Amino acid sequence: AQKVTQAQTEISVVEKEDVTLDCVYETRDTTYYLFWYKQPPSGELVFLIRRNSFDEQNEISGRYSWNFQKSTSSFNFTITASQVVDSAVYFCALSEEFSGGGADGLTFGKGTHLIIQP
Amino acid sequence: DADVTQTPRNRITKTGKRIMLECSQTKGHDRMYWYRQDPGLGLRLIYYSFDVKDINKGEISDGYSVSRQAQAKFSLSLESAIPNQTALYFCATSDPGTGKVADTQYFGPGTRLTVL
Repeated sequence: AQKVTQAQTEISVVEKEDVTLDCVYETRDTTYYLFWYKQPPSGELVFLIRRNSFDEQNEISGRYSWNFQKSTSSFNFTITASQVVDSAVYFCALSEEFSGGGADGLTFGKGTHLIIQP
Repeated sequence: DADVTQTPRNRITKTGKRIMLECSQTKGHDRMYWYRQDPGLGLRLIYYSFDVKDINKGEISDGYSVSRQAQAKFSLSLESAIPNQTALYFCATSDPGTGKVADTQYFGPGTRLTVL
């Protein structure tokens, strides 16, 4: 069975600091998909990024970057020059390949509550 | 208008009552999902449906049932609500398709359910 571990329950930093959120996953499948979602205080879940197991390229999107390393089963998320608006709960999630094709339901980590202080 | 809508957004009910939570989507996706979120536990999958005729149990389906009335509608029912079903419930949709965001799940705004 798959599992996602986000060991950091809560992180608090001062605005403009860089911060990395850790995600470690377990799966027996060779094909799988990894995701990050943001849940701001308003409660909705906002999709940030999707990675499949065949694509180990790191990605940068503005102040956000993601480091996917199959060798350590990790998919870490870094926010550069953090801002107060980045304050939220961030979830890492894993989906295995469904036998009929495509991704299955998501297994979520317990989330990291990120607090950016002004 | 939102692509994925959930009704009601908030509901307070009593133990033993039957409750239905509804989800509608205009994204044209075939796949739909129900999750519940409990503080400190992340989200857990209750049921999912890959098309109108296909319903699958998730990790925590006991005490719940679902109905896929159409491609765009997926309802979650609590036959006899109990207090430990108090949670935030999310509906999600995805499209297997191809491309960079294939199989990405997009979530509705959530329904906060309290069972007294």
